[in-house]
Amino acid sequence: QQQVKQSPQSLIVQKGGIPIINCAYENTAFDYFPWYQQFPGKGPALLIAIRPDVSEKKEGRFTISFNKSAKQFSLHIMDSQPGDSATYFCAALRFNAGNMLTFGGGTRLMVKP
Amino acid sequence: DTEVTQTPKHLVMGMTNKKSLKCEQHMGHRAMYWYKQKAKKPPELMFVYSYEKLSINESVPSRFSPECPNSSLLNLHLHALQPEDSALYLCASSQFSLNSPLHFGNGTRLTVT
Repeated sequence: QQQVKQSPQSLIVQKGGIPIINCAYENTAFDYFPWYQQFPGKGPALLIAIRPDVSEKKEGRFTISFNKSAKQFSLHIMDSQPGDSATYFCAALRFNAGNMLTFGGGTRLMVKP
Repeated sequence: DTEVTQTPKHLVMGMTNKKSLKCEQHMGHRAMYWYKQKAKKPPELMFVYSYEKLSINESVPSRFSPECPNSSLLNLHLHALQPEDSALYLCASSQFSLNSPLHFGNGTRLTVT
């Protein structure tokens, strides 16, 4: 059962473009929604995270938009750079389930120079 | 560099071998995790330790045996693995509190021959 659905699976943008990655969840018991960035051969690195009582959070060029009623959230990358080329995972955390983290399927982003 | 250190970075083992993966964190986190990641897939949870006690075992085969000797260390003992167990094994840690994201190491790339 895929509790967090992520789209698109892959995305290609030009440098300076604004890639948008979308996620939807089913379980309203999730407490926290982090995004991870993973480069080949590396572990996932925490990028930005949001609580469900907040509608938007911005850190540098990365912005999360959160729609609690629709059970959807998205990542926007402003002024994307070739160095942003990586796989991005949305995730959802349940503290009362042992702080269990459930990942979306991942989006492979390529930013062309 | 990540604050969760995993050793070794690469491991090749035969199906009759016994080996161990090691993970260390010094962030004072009281929850530690093992995840398994296959190529082009999201990480999948294997085990969760909270306060040095095994709290979640995601129906992992007994050929994988976790151990948490103290609050900073996490081991994964491997025995009689199968070629399909070849994957990136990721360790993570977090505060055991609400809204505390997981921090991942860079993983051990395991190949079973």
